[in-house]
Amino acid sequence: DAKTTQPTSMDCAEGRAANLPCNHSTISGNEYVYWYRQIHSQGPQYIIHGLKNNETNEMASLIITEDRKSSTLILPHATLRDTAVYYCIVLTGTASKLTFGTGTRLQVTL
Amino acid sequence: ETGVTQSPTHLIKTRGQQVTLRCSSQSGHNTVSWYQQALGQGPQFIFQYYREEENGRGNFPPRFSGLQFPNYSSELNVNALELDDSALYLCASSPRKGSGQGPNEQFFGPGTRLTVL
Repeated sequence: DAKTTQPTSMDCAEGRAANLPCNHSTISGNEYVYWYRQIHSQGPQYIIHGLKNNETNEMASLIITEDRKSSTLILPHATLRDTAVYYCIVLTGTASKLTFGTGTRLQVTL
Repeated sequence: ETGVTQSPTHLIKTRGQQVTLRCSSQSGHNTVSWYQQALGQGPQFIFQYYREEENGRGNFPPRFSGLQFPNYSSELNVNALELDDSALYLCASSPRKGSGQGPNEQFFGPGTRLTVL
């Protein structure tokens, strides 16, 4: 699976959009971009995934660049409950495992 | 719909002992994965079970073993516990998708925190 690079930490004011970047410059054509988050002392939570096109669900939006070498997870109106570690993961369609890096620690403040 | 549940929530063992952790998968999910998360680190894949067979294994020694039952629940067994086995153990279940439909979203339980003294 391709390696990902994320900033160690980010801050965001409550109510503002949180934009979390991820670089995956070695991504292959058959690899998907997945985002999970882990709130303190809980198990990771699936957020969203995409292959080529931008995706949106009730939690977030995923913007993938045209060359697929990077992506951005957007939480449109961050709340204090969005404070968590966010993991960007790249994996193939047949992958059995998730390979977690160190992720981005997002702190949402008042 | 019941989510993934794990038991026990906390456990304290001593070095050399054996431990069994349990996981009930989400309704309709036939695949279970186990992860180990040391303090301050991301989860590390231990192994996955699909229809009672091991379907992939991470870089963990044979003293880490597992089972999946016909109802898709699962156990993680660790023998000869070492101090470094102290961690949060996470179970995740997922439905098996058809070919070409992408990887399976995994749904995690709350974890079992194991402390080895």
